[in-house]
Order: sequence, then C-alpha cells, then structure tokens
Amino acid sequence: EAEVAQSPRYKITEKSQAVAFWCDPISGHATLYWYRQILGQGPELLVQFQDESVVDDSQLPKDRFSAERLKGVDSTLKIQPAELGDSAMYLCASSLGWASDANTQYFGPGTRLTVL
Amino acid sequence: GDSVTQMEGPVTLSEEACLTINCTYTATGYPSLFWYVQYPGEGLQLLLKATKADDKGSNKGFEATYRKETTSFHLEKGSVQVSDSAVYFCALRGSSNTGKLIFGQGTTLQVKP
Repeated sequence: EAEVAQSPRYKITEKSQAVAFWCDPISGHATLYWYRQILGQGPELLVQFQDESVVDDSQLPKDRFSAERLKGVDSTLKIQPAELGDSAMYLCASSLGWASDANTQYFGPGTRLTVL
Repeated sequence: GDSVTQMEGPVTLSEEACLTINCTYTATGYPSLFWYVQYPGEGLQLLLKATKADDKGSNKGFEATYRKETTSFHLEKGSVQVSDSAVYFCALRGSSNTGKLIFGQGTTLQVKP
C-alpha cells in the first residue's frame, strides 16, 4: 500500500538554527498538506498545496517558516530561525484533490522536532 | 470559526468494555466529519467518516453517527481490545472548501487486559 514518506523522523536542534523537513506524497496525489501538532493537541494546518501552487498558508508564520513544492511532487518545509515554541510534530498529508469529500487525506509518520 | 471539542482523556477501559468518546462541533453550513486514530509512533489513519446528517460511519467495529441537531459525532465501540489503545481525533472539513481539516485535541484510550 502506498504511503506518505517523511524525513527525518526526529530532529533536535538549537534555537536560532535552521531546520528543514521533507515530504514525498503518495504518487498521483495533487494536494499536499503540512500540519503542526503540538504535544497534547490536535494537528493544525500550516500550508496546503494544489500541485505546485499554495492554496492556503494563512496559518504559516511567514517570518520564519517557508514551504515549497517546486515540481508539484515532493515538498520541503523550512524553519529559520527555530524557536523553542516550534517544538512539535510536523505532519505531512496528501490527497487526490481537495474539492470533494471523497478525497481522503493520508498522513505520513511525521517529523518530531525538539528545539533546545 | 469552525471548531471541534472532544472529551478529555485519558480514557482507561478493561478489555471487552464499551467505549464512547464524545465529540461536538461548531461550524457553518454542512461540514463533513471524521475520526482519525494515531497509534504510538505512527501517523494519523482515517478510521471512519460521515458526510451528511444522519450518516453513520463504521470501520473495525467502531461507529459514529452524524447528528446535526446536537452537532455531535460520538465514537462508539461495543467491545474494545488492547490493540485499540491509541489517540483518537475527531475532525471536520468545514466551510473553507479547501479540504482543510480542523481537529479536536485528541482523546487517549488505554485498554487493559
């Protein structure tokens, strides 16, 4: 069964450093989502792509976070500089599209970030 | 804005006990409702969904009914197993029409043998 791949699985960094996370969605999935899950809370959407275009980045802290999906396939989420409050699980999800209720979102295993 | 509220955990049950995890929502229009499950060390998996009022979603012995009159989508299972121990998230796909999911805070279920 096809899965969403994410790397690294774990990342420890010091504050003010730069970090990057990578996501490879299920083949053929046009829509890609990055969510942030703070410990003890539910995931919150950071950014959503349709192919290579950003559909929603209203909750992305753009002063320090950036995301790209240059060829409409895999995606990178970057934080620079990292802050203590960025410690969380970063989840990537993909779906065939977003306009229909039939488009289930499939989640990757996540990257757990710890900022010291 | 749209929101989801779940009962606080952890919920601790003995094997074969009945489970109910409460979920209520606030949304404009007619959201789709979902339950996701997260096993330790893994990503979220869709457990079941319902897209309109009075729909019942079911999977792996779990059920939830979309109740518009009470804005609820409670998760139920008649007999839990140790392997059901996980974190359960209620979510809605709301009025933004971008496919964005809005999640509750999650409820941890621990099933003891």
